[in-house]
Amino acid sequence: RKEVEQDPGPFNVPEGATVAFNCTYSNSASQSFFWYRQDCRKEPKLLMSVYSSGNEDGRFTAQLNRASQYISLLIRDSKLSDSATYLCVVKGNTPLVFGKGTRLSVIA
Amino acid sequence: EPEVTQTPSHQVTQMGQEVILRCVPISNHLYFYWYRQILGQKVEFLVSFYNNEISEKSEIFDDQFSVERPDGSNFTLKIRSTKLEDSAMYFCASSSGLLGQPQHFGDGTRLSIL
Repeated sequence: RKEVEQDPGPFNVPEGATVAFNCTYSNSASQSFFWYRQDCRKEPKLLMSVYSSGNEDGRFTAQLNRASQYISLLIRDSKLSDSATYLCVVKGNTPLVFGKGTRLSVIA
Repeated sequence: EPEVTQTPSHQVTQMGQEVILRCVPISNHLYFYWYRQILGQKVEFLVSFYNNEISEKSEIFDDQFSVERPDGSNFTLKIRSTKLEDSAMYFCASSSGLLGQPQHFGDGTRLSIL
């Protein structure tokens, strides 16, 4: 089983749509969880940390289910500028472990 | 906002040559990292560095690789005797090390081995 698995994508959605990404992780000792976004040939940039109680940052909502080892990201009212690859990232007592990412294309 | 900076942005090198990739982490961060991303693949951990020594390394980080913090600001990755398969984006990252705090990435060095 891969350490961090994500929806394969790509997701092609119209502007204004709501889109959800899922991620599962295999290491139950993982302690910290993040969503990063990566534009083509650019560095990963932190989108948001994911907390056990769930958290929201503007149009973005992240959820964590430790029992199921499942993380989600919801994007509401998609913008063209949201087009990118979204990386699910997990950390335990080890360095960051990245998922392969899910590509999102928001279409006008 | 403070950021991690990397140089050069693109390095082209002949197979078998040595390369040094440079990074300046965020100034008050204590943990430093190197990652690589082969085109079309996921970001992979190479090595972490704390208190002037390697704290962890992956199986990718073999004897071909070394890291150094030669002064108070730079953090370097040296790749000896480069191979074609070393072609990738190399990202430096730094963090405060506090639990739950994220790592901040530089914009990467694209290494092309010919």
